Amino acid sequence: GQSLEQPSEVTAVEGAIVQINCTYQTSGFYGLSWYQQHDGGAPTFLSYNGLDGLEETGRFSSFLSRSDSYGYLLLQELQMKDSASYFCAVRVRNSGGYQKVTFGIGTKLQVIP
Amino acid sequence: DGGITQSPKYLFRKEGQNVTLSCEQNLNHDAMYWYRQDPGQGLRLIYYSQIVNDFQKGDIAEGYSVSREKKESFPLTVTSAQKNPTAFYLCASNLAGYSGANVLTFGAGSRLTVL
Repeated sequence: GQSLEQPSEVTAVEGAIVQINCTYQTSGFYGLSWYQQHDGGAPTFLSYNGLDGLEETGRFSSFLSRSDSYGYLLLQELQMKDSASYFCAVRVRNSGGYQKVTFGIGTKLQVIP
Repeated sequence: DGGITQSPKYLFRKEGQNVTLSCEQNLNHDAMYWYRQDPGQGLRLIYYSQIVNDFQKGDIAEGYSVSREKKESFPLTVTSAQKNPTAFYLCASNLAGYSGANVLTFGAGSRLTVL
């Protein structure tokens, strides 16, 4: 099976930088994704890493180290609207050739003034 | 605009009743997924399907059933065998192929409450 670990809660100040870590244990690993979910809403895609290194999309960056089974999401210039839950997710292929996406428990980010 | 439509948004069910949640997508996506989310929890995979007439059990399939008779539709039935069905249910889809499969698009969700 797959397992993902990420912190349950993080608090940061508006305008600051915050990093949310994710470690995973899985076989058939394809890549690591990050999703944002506001309370009561549906998750929305933020970023994907299939290869080692950093991917940057505006204020958000995501990093992956396949050898360490580790990744992180970096949020810069935090805004109040960034208060949400952030999920890491792994895309894997099983022995039958089927691909699926498994999510972590999510990190609830609270941005304070 | 393309997207995923889930219905109903809210549903109340008495114990012992089956209920079916609808999921329709007009994105021409190949794969579809059902996830369950409990308060303060992550998303747990119930069932997924990569092609029509084929689907696979996820991590918590017991008490649930699905069908995939059309590419655009992937309904989920919550049966009376599901011990604790009260939850937020999310349907998602993505393209097959390397790059398209990296991005899941979600519906708005269906909130099921068992009375």
